Amino acid sequence: AAGVIQSPRHLIKEKRETATLKCYPIPRHDTVYWYQQGPGQDPQFLISFYEKMQSDKGSIPDRFSAQQFSDYHSELNMSSLELGDSALYFCASSHQGGRTEAFFGQGTRLTVV
Amino acid sequence: AQRVTQPEKLLSVFKGAPVELKCNYSYSGSPELFWYVQYSRQRLQLLLRHISRESIKGFTADLNKGETSFHLKKPFAQEEDSAMYYCALRGNQGGKLIFGQGTELSVKP
Repeated sequence: AAGVIQSPRHLIKEKRETATLKCYPIPRHDTVYWYQQGPGQDPQFLISFYEKMQSDKGSIPDRFSAQQFSDYHSELNMSSLELGDSALYFCASSHQGGRTEAFFGQGTRLTVV
Repeated sequence: AQRVTQPEKLLSVFKGAPVELKCNYSYSGSPELFWYVQYSRQRLQLLLRHISRESIKGFTADLNKGETSFHLKKPFAQEEDSAMYYCALRGNQGGKLIFGQGTELSVKP
């Protein structure tokens, strides 16, 4: 069965650079969530989208933006990267606006040097 | 405030021993509670949700609203249970998950 796909799996960027992370949800899933997990930290909710509209917002820095496209994939854009942005970023998808089980991708490991 | 607390960062047991991973929560309303598991180098997977009241891989979890707890239990741990376990909650209308800090379970032979 198709799962949530994230790309790239690993990314190394320098400070002040930009990065774009992509998330492809399970087919027919209409809701995407983004989470950030720092080293030794619990996953922190960043932002979510339902039917291409932002549905909820968490602790997402102003330097970050995200959107969900017409094919339901989502992209997380990160600008002016800081060392503290180094983390595992994973997305999850569900349908019915998040009322069903959330399925997670394998994550993108971002390292800022 | 919405919060999930897992007091143990690491739990180490021997194969065949009982295991209990603790989870307490704080939420104004009626949340849904979940346990997610992350095996080495794999994605987060749903293990249990309180509304289904089922046993998966020998694990069970009971929601205790009085104690605001949702502890995960297994009577006889297996080596393949070694993984990171996250307790999580969300509102009963769906939406984002709020995770605990995670407990690493290590089952020794």
